[in-house]
Amino acid sequence: GQNIDQPTEMTATEGAIVQINCTYQTSGFNGLFWYQQHAGEAPTFLSYNVLDGLEEKGRFSSFLSRSKGYSYLLLKELQMKDSASYLCALRGSGNTGKLIFGQGTTLQVKP
Amino acid sequence: GAVVSQHPSRVICKSGTSVKIECRSLDFQATTMFWYRQFPKQSLMLMATSNEGSKATYEQGVEKDKFLINHASLTLSTLTVTSAHPEDSSFYICSARDSGSTDTQYFGPGTRLTVL
Repeated sequence: GQNIDQPTEMTATEGAIVQINCTYQTSGFNGLFWYQQHAGEAPTFLSYNVLDGLEEKGRFSSFLSRSKGYSYLLLKELQMKDSASYLCALRGSGNTGKLIFGQGTTLQVKP
Repeated sequence: GAVVSQHPSRVICKSGTSVKIECRSLDFQATTMFWYRQFPKQSLMLMATSNEGSKATYEQGVEKDKFLINHASLTLSTLTVTSAHPEDSSFYICSARDSGSTDTQYFGPGTRLTVL
């Protein structure tokens, strides 16, 4: 089976940096994804890690350590529009490609 | 990223009626699409995997006779909620698997279903 754990809520200040952690247990691993979801909207793809290390994409970076079952999403230069839920999702081994989502972390950015 | 559309965006229906939701991948072919359900302040729960030209694979606890899935082409999957009841009211979201270099899932905008 698979298990994913993220903090439920976080608060940060506009302009700051925030790190959202995700830990997981899985019997098979084929990639870890981060999605952003604003209230009432569908998730949008942010990043994908399948190998250990840091992937940087503008203000967003994602890190993966497969041996530790750990990932984080780093958001720099926070903006008010970054207030959203951030979902960590795991793709297991096998060919289905299905993703299992964590509960999500609701980030509130304050002025 | 790739574009996935979903229709309708919002539907209100009476209890006992059936509702069909369409999911289309607009700029890529998707042999696999997924259907999720999301209740308020909860994460996405995978309902089923829709495979083009074959039967859908349902997750444990999801009634296949109630949630009918058809994936007749490489760009279209449909979810029909049969004999809808108020407890079926939810946000239904589809995603399409783009089997390119990242093998990423792209989500449709979702359908808000309200059953009266």
